[in-house]
Amino acid sequence: EIVLTQSPGTLSLSPGERATLSCRASQAVSRNYLAWYQQKPGQAPRLLISGASSRASGIPDRFSGSGSGTDFTLTISRLGDEDFAVYYCQQYGSTPLTFGQGTKVEIK
Amino acid sequence: EVQLVESGGGLVEPGGSLRLSCAASGFTFSTYSMTWVRQAPGKGLEWVSSISGTGSYIYYADSLKGRLTISRDNAQNSLYLQMNSLRAEDTAVYYCARALLVPSAPHDYWGQGTLVTVSS
Repeated sequence: EIVLTQSPGTLSLSPGERATLSCRASQAVSRNYLAWYQQKPGQAPRLLISGASSRASGIPDRFSGSGSGTDFTLTISRLGDEDFAVYYCQQYGSTPLTFGQGTKVEIK
Repeated sequence: EVQLVESGGGLVEPGGSLRLSCAASGFTFSTYSMTWVRQAPGKGLEWVSSISGTGSYIYYADSLKGRLTISRDNAQNSLYLQMNSLRAEDTAVYYCARALLVPSAPHDYWGQGTLVTVSS
Protein backbone atom coordinates (compact mmCIF):
# COMPACT_ATOMS: atom_id res chain seq x y z
CA GLU A 1 0.00 0.00 0.00
CA ILE A 2 1.26 3.46 -0.90
CA VAL A 3 1.12 5.78 2.10
CA LEU A 4 0.71 9.47 1.28
CA THR A 5 1.92 12.03 3.81
CA GLN A 6 0.76 15.60 3.39
CA SER A 7 2.43 18.63 4.93
CA PRO A 8 1.85 20.90 6.59
CA GLY A 9 -1.26 19.81 8.45
CA THR A 10 -2.53 23.37 8.56
CA LEU A 11 -1.49 26.40 6.53
CA SER A 12 -2.49 29.82 7.85
CA LEU A 13 -2.37 32.42 5.10
CA SER A 14 -4.03 35.65 4.02
CA PRO A 15 -6.03 36.16 0.82
CA GLY A 16 -3.70 36.98 -2.06
CA GLU A 17 -0.82 34.96 -0.63
CA ARG A 18 0.77 31.93 -2.24
CA ALA A 19 0.04 28.46 -0.84
CA THR A 20 2.38 25.51 -1.28
CA LEU A 21 1.12 22.08 -0.22
CA SER A 22 3.24 18.95 -0.21
CA CYS A 23 2.35 15.28 -0.71
CA ARG A 24 5.02 12.63 -0.26
CA ALA A 25 4.49 9.00 -1.20
CA SER A 26 6.07 6.00 0.54
CA GLN A 27 6.94 4.56 -2.90
CA ALA A 28 6.81 5.82 -6.45
CA VAL A 29 3.32 6.55 -7.72
CA SER A 30 2.65 4.57 -10.88
CA ARG A 31 2.73 6.83 -13.96
CA ASN A 32 2.45 9.84 -11.64
CA TYR A 33 -1.22 9.06 -11.21
CA LEU A 34 -1.59 11.60 -8.43
CA ALA A 35 -4.67 13.76 -7.95
CA TRP A 36 -5.51 16.72 -5.74
CA TYR A 37 -8.99 17.37 -4.38
CA GLN A 38 -10.49 20.34 -2.59
CA GLN A 39 -13.15 19.86 0.06
CA LYS A 40 -15.18 22.53 1.80
CA PRO A 41 -17.28 21.89 4.92
CA GLY A 42 -20.41 19.92 4.17
CA GLN A 43 -19.43 19.38 0.55
CA ALA A 44 -18.11 16.52 -1.51
CA PRO A 45 -14.50 16.57 -2.69
CA ARG A 46 -13.84 18.36 -5.97
CA LEU A 47 -11.16 17.24 -8.40
CA LEU A 48 -8.56 19.94 -9.03
CA ILE A 49 -5.53 18.21 -10.54
CA SER A 50 -4.90 14.81 -12.09
CA GLY A 51 -1.78 13.19 -13.47
CA ALA A 52 0.18 15.31 -11.00
CA SER A 53 -0.08 18.46 -13.11
CA SER A 54 -3.19 18.54 -15.31
CA ARG A 55 -5.95 20.88 -14.19
CA ALA A 56 -9.44 19.45 -14.24
CA SER A 57 -12.15 21.07 -16.28
CA GLY A 58 -13.18 24.48 -14.96
CA ILE A 59 -10.35 24.78 -12.44
CA PRO A 60 -8.77 28.27 -12.35
CA ASP A 61 -5.17 28.56 -13.49
CA ARG A 62 -4.06 29.83 -10.09
CA PHE A 63 -4.07 26.13 -9.14
CA SER A 64 -1.06 24.18 -10.37
CA GLY A 65 0.40 20.79 -9.61
CA SER A 66 3.93 19.53 -10.00
CA GLY A 67 6.19 16.67 -9.03
CA SER A 68 6.86 13.09 -9.93
CA GLY A 69 7.82 9.79 -8.38
CA THR A 70 7.33 10.28 -4.66
CA ASP A 71 7.20 14.05 -4.22
CA PHE A 72 4.29 16.18 -5.37
CA THR A 73 3.22 19.77 -4.81
CA LEU A 74 0.00 21.72 -5.17
CA THR A 75 0.47 25.47 -5.52
CA ILE A 76 -2.21 28.10 -5.30
CA SER A 77 -0.58 31.21 -6.72
CA ARG A 78 -2.86 33.79 -5.06
CA LEU A 79 -5.42 32.64 -2.54
CA GLY A 80 -8.97 33.72 -3.17
CA ASP A 81 -11.57 33.82 -0.41
CA GLU A 82 -13.10 30.68 -1.88
CA ASP A 83 -9.85 28.71 -1.67
CA PHE A 84 -9.85 28.27 2.09
CA ALA A 85 -10.62 24.58 2.44
CA VAL A 86 -9.04 21.18 3.04
CA TYR A 87 -6.92 19.69 0.27
CA TYR A 88 -6.28 15.99 -0.22
CA CYS A 89 -3.86 14.19 -2.48
CA GLN A 90 -4.74 10.73 -3.81
CA GLN A 91 -2.80 8.17 -5.73
CA TYR A 92 -4.91 6.23 -8.22
CA GLY A 93 -2.19 4.27 -10.00
CA SER A 94 -2.58 1.11 -7.97
CA THR A 95 -4.97 -0.50 -5.55
CA PRO A 96 -5.56 0.07 -2.75
CA LEU A 97 -6.27 3.63 -3.76
CA THR A 98 -4.98 5.88 -1.00
CA PHE A 99 -5.45 9.45 0.19
CA GLY A 100 -3.22 11.73 2.18
CA GLN A 101 -4.52 12.91 5.54
CA GLY A 102 -5.27 16.40 4.20
CA THR A 103 -3.93 19.94 4.54
CA LYS A 104 -6.25 22.61 5.87
CA VAL A 105 -5.71 26.06 4.38
CA GLU A 106 -7.16 28.57 6.81
CA ILE A 107 -7.45 32.32 6.92
CA LYS A 108 -4.72 33.97 8.94
CA GLU B 1 -25.25 17.12 -16.43
CA VAL B 2 -23.52 14.40 -14.47
CA GLN B 3 -25.32 13.56 -11.23
CA LEU B 4 -24.60 11.02 -8.53
CA VAL B 5 -27.14 10.73 -5.74
CA GLU B 6 -26.54 8.47 -2.76
CA SER B 7 -29.24 7.07 -0.53
CA GLY B 8 -29.79 4.37 2.06
CA GLY B 9 -27.85 5.83 4.96
CA GLY B 10 -29.27 6.09 8.45
CA LEU B 11 -28.96 4.88 12.01
CA VAL B 12 -28.17 1.20 12.50
CA GLU B 13 -27.23 -0.80 15.58
CA PRO B 14 -23.82 -2.45 15.89
CA GLY B 15 -23.85 -5.78 14.11
CA GLY B 16 -26.57 -4.62 11.75
CA SER B 17 -26.64 -4.30 7.99
CA LEU B 18 -27.31 -1.53 5.51
CA ARG B 19 -27.45 -1.23 1.76
CA LEU B 20 -26.36 2.03 0.18
CA SER B 21 -27.38 3.04 -3.31
CA CYS B 22 -26.01 5.57 -5.78
CA ALA B 23 -28.19 6.67 -8.68
CA ALA B 24 -26.25 7.95 -11.66
CA SER B 25 -27.40 10.13 -14.54
CA GLY B 26 -26.02 12.36 -17.26
CA PHE B 27 -23.38 9.94 -18.56
CA THR B 28 -23.03 6.43 -19.95
CA PHE B 29 -22.89 4.62 -16.63
CA SER B 30 -21.62 1.29 -17.94
CA THR B 31 -18.44 2.83 -19.34
CA TYR B 32 -17.23 4.09 -15.97
CA SER B 33 -15.74 2.44 -12.96
CA MET B 34 -17.44 3.45 -9.73
CA THR B 35 -16.04 3.86 -6.25
CA TRP B 36 -17.23 4.27 -2.67
CA VAL B 37 -15.19 6.57 -0.43
CA ARG B 38 -16.06 7.28 3.20
CA GLN B 39 -15.28 10.05 5.65
CA ALA B 40 -15.68 9.62 9.38
CA PRO B 41 -16.80 12.74 11.27
CA GLY B 42 -13.97 15.28 11.33
CA LYS B 43 -11.59 12.88 9.58
CA GLY B 44 -10.07 12.42 6.16
CA LEU B 45 -11.11 10.49 3.08
CA GLU B 46 -10.86 6.71 3.03
CA TRP B 47 -11.23 4.56 -0.07
CA VAL B 48 -13.69 1.72 0.51
CA SER B 49 -14.28 -0.18 -2.74
CA SER B 50 -14.34 0.11 -6.52
CA ILE B 51 -15.98 -1.80 -9.34
CA SER B 52 -15.26 -1.75 -13.06
CA GLY B 53 -17.81 -0.70 -15.67
CA THR B 54 -18.84 -4.25 -16.47
CA GLY B 55 -18.60 -5.38 -12.87
CA SER B 56 -15.87 -7.87 -13.76
CA TYR B 57 -13.22 -6.28 -11.56
CA ILE B 58 -13.89 -5.51 -7.91
CA TYR B 59 -11.52 -4.08 -5.33
CA TYR B 60 -11.94 -3.67 -1.57
CA ALA B 61 -9.94 -2.02 1.16
CA ASP B 62 -8.30 -4.86 3.10
CA SER B 63 -9.63 -3.57 6.41
CA LEU B 64 -13.21 -3.88 5.16
CA LYS B 65 -13.00 -7.01 3.03
CA GLY B 66 -15.47 -9.68 4.09
CA ARG B 67 -18.04 -7.27 5.46
CA LEU B 68 -18.80 -5.37 2.27
CA THR B 69 -20.17 -6.22 -1.16
CA ILE B 70 -20.08 -3.72 -3.98
CA SER B 71 -22.30 -4.27 -7.00
CA ARG B 72 -23.87 -2.40 -9.86
CA ASP B 73 -26.89 -2.61 -12.15
CA ASN B 74 -26.03 -0.98 -15.45
CA ALA B 75 -29.61 -1.28 -16.69
CA GLN B 76 -30.72 0.82 -13.73
CA ASN B 77 -27.66 3.12 -13.71
CA SER B 78 -27.15 2.26 -10.08
CA LEU B 79 -24.29 1.39 -7.76
CA TYR B 80 -24.71 -0.42 -4.45
CA LEU B 81 -22.78 -1.13 -1.28
CA GLN B 82 -24.02 -3.87 1.01
CA MET B 83 -22.51 -3.45 4.48
CA ASN B 84 -22.78 -6.18 7.11
CA SER B 85 -21.60 -6.61 10.71
CA LEU B 86 -21.47 -2.87 11.11
CA ARG B 87 -19.29 -1.35 13.84
CA ALA B 88 -19.17 2.06 15.48
CA GLU B 89 -16.05 2.85 13.45
CA ASP B 90 -18.05 2.48 10.22
CA THR B 91 -19.89 5.69 11.11
CA ALA B 92 -19.15 8.05 8.24
CA VAL B 93 -20.46 9.88 5.24
CA TYR B 94 -20.27 7.52 2.27
CA TYR B 95 -19.64 9.07 -1.13
CA CYS B 96 -19.94 7.46 -4.52
CA ALA B 97 -17.66 8.74 -7.25
CA ARG B 98 -16.93 7.87 -10.87
CA ALA B 99 -13.64 7.26 -12.64
CA LEU B 100 -13.05 6.28 -16.23
CA LEU B 101 -11.01 3.34 -14.98
CA VAL B 102 -9.89 2.04 -11.60
CA PRO B 103 -7.03 2.07 -11.09
CA SER B 104 -5.60 4.56 -13.59
CA ALA B 105 -8.09 7.43 -13.62
CA PRO B 106 -9.04 10.15 -11.14
CA HIS B 107 -12.52 10.52 -9.66
CA ASP B 108 -13.98 13.49 -11.49
CA TYR B 109 -17.53 13.54 -10.15
CA TRP B 110 -18.75 12.83 -6.64
CA GLY B 111 -22.15 12.56 -5.04
CA GLN B 112 -23.08 14.59 -1.98
CA GLY B 113 -22.85 11.59 0.31
CA THR B 114 -25.11 9.65 2.64
CA LEU B 115 -24.51 9.46 6.39
CA VAL B 116 -24.28 6.10 8.11
CA THR B 117 -24.41 6.14 11.90
CA VAL B 118 -23.70 2.93 13.80
CA SER B 119 -24.87 3.25 17.37
CA SER B 120 -27.05 1.54 19.92
